[in-house]
Amino acid sequence: AQKITQTQPGMFVQEKEAVTLDCTYDTSDQSYGLFWYKQPSSGEMIFLIYQGSYDEQNATEGRYSLNFQKARKSANLVISASQLGDSAMYFCAMREALSGGYNKLIFGAGTRLAVHP
Amino acid sequence: DAGVTQSPTHLIKTRGQQVTLRCSPKSGHDTVSWYQQALGQGPQFIFQYYEEEERQRGNFPDRFSGHQFPNYSSELNVNALLLGDSALYLCASSLGPGDTQYFGPGTRLTVL
Repeated sequence: AQKITQTQPGMFVQEKEAVTLDCTYDTSDQSYGLFWYKQPSSGEMIFLIYQGSYDEQNATEGRYSLNFQKARKSANLVISASQLGDSAMYFCAMREALSGGYNKLIFGAGTRLAVHP
Repeated sequence: DAGVTQSPTHLIKTRGQQVTLRCSPKSGHDTVSWYQQALGQGPQFIFQYYEEEERQRGNFPDRFSGHQFPNYSSELNVNALLLGDSALYLCASSLGPGDTQYFGPGTRLTVL
């Protein structure tokens, strides 16, 4: 069965510093997608970044980058120059292919990030 | 461009009652998925709607049902509510069944 593991329940970082949030995954599929979402206290799940299993380059979106190590089955999120507004829950997710070309997202337990001034 | 919208924002029900949650997808999106997020956990997939039909379903009982309308909006219905149904219900839409899912703000359901 496919699984996402986030081993850091909480992380602290000083404003303007970089932080890495860990994510490992387990799948037997050759083609899959990995996502990171941010969930502020308001509850909305905000899409941050996507990495396809066949993408050779690590994905980047502004201050977010995804450190994809396929052999180790890890997809860590790196946030550079942290801002106070980055304080939130962060979820790693994997797209699981279902029959008929449909799919669902499988989420990890999340990491709560606190950015300190 | 409006994002995914959900209503209501909050809802309080008692055990045994029935509830309907609503979702409007992003403009141009035709696929809607529903997730349940219990407190302190990651979201769990309930089901996915495409072309007005339920296409895939997670490990949820038949008390959970849904509908998708011709304008791609969707409803989630839960019958015979249990205390354990208390959660944040998230709706996500995508351009197609295999595309990136964008989430709405959620509906927080409390069952007393």
